[in-house]
Amino acid sequence: QSALTQPPSASGSPGQSVTISCTGTSSDVGGYNYVSWYQQHPGKAPKLMIYEVSKRPSGVPDRFSGSKSGNTASLTVSGLQTEDEADYYCSSYAGNSLPKVFGGGTKLTVL
Amino acid sequence: QLQLQESGPGLVKPSETLSLTCTVSDDSINNVSYYWSWIRQPPGKGLEWVATIYYTGSTSYNPSLKSRVTMSKDTSKNQFSLKLTSVSAADTALYYCARLRVAAADYWGQGTLVTVSS
Repeated sequence: QSALTQPPSASGSPGQSVTISCTGTSSDVGGYNYVSWYQQHPGKAPKLMIYEVSKRPSGVPDRFSGSKSGNTASLTVSGLQTEDEADYYCSSYAGNSLPKVFGGGTKLTVL
Repeated sequence: QLQLQESGPGLVKPSETLSLTCTVSDDSINNVSYYWSWIRQPPGKGLEWVATIYYTGSTSYNPSLKSRVTMSKDTSKNQFSLKLTSVSAADTALYYCARLRVAAADYWGQGTLVTVSS
């Protein structure tokens, strides 16, 4: 059982927006502004899409945005494109002895 | 461009020790701005953080693996390593090494599949 809870699946049509949630506790998501999101295409290594809740690394389209409210973080993908179809994982810092916990992943399907 | 490359046996027998090395190019593992980690992914499943080593050499381990895992680094070779003892089929996974910046893994290796089987 993963430390963070994500819905197993999400979907949307091209051009639409979709939001994926990531629920933790006050010991991880709610306690630190160190939530990150990763995109993983089949057979590929994960790619960092969002860090520190809402920051985008260089090269990540601004269609990807992150936010947090209490113990729940969210990733929103706007203007869905077919290449956005992938698995998405959230992660959070949870203290010095547990620097990284992951969610179980969400499979995003672009219909 | 920073590159990380995992290496090690692809097949390990049950109860034996899994040993992997990650070689880092174009960055120093002594860089105070970053940490270095192992993250694994069982076939068809999600990601699991395994261990992290800091520039000081101190380490953090996943509590579920803590009694079996050791992470170390060799600064002369710009490498860091993972040892996981008493492996079972549950340890079969794609093992990634990664660079962490402020708790976010911004660079990943391509991953190496380790299968535990007799």
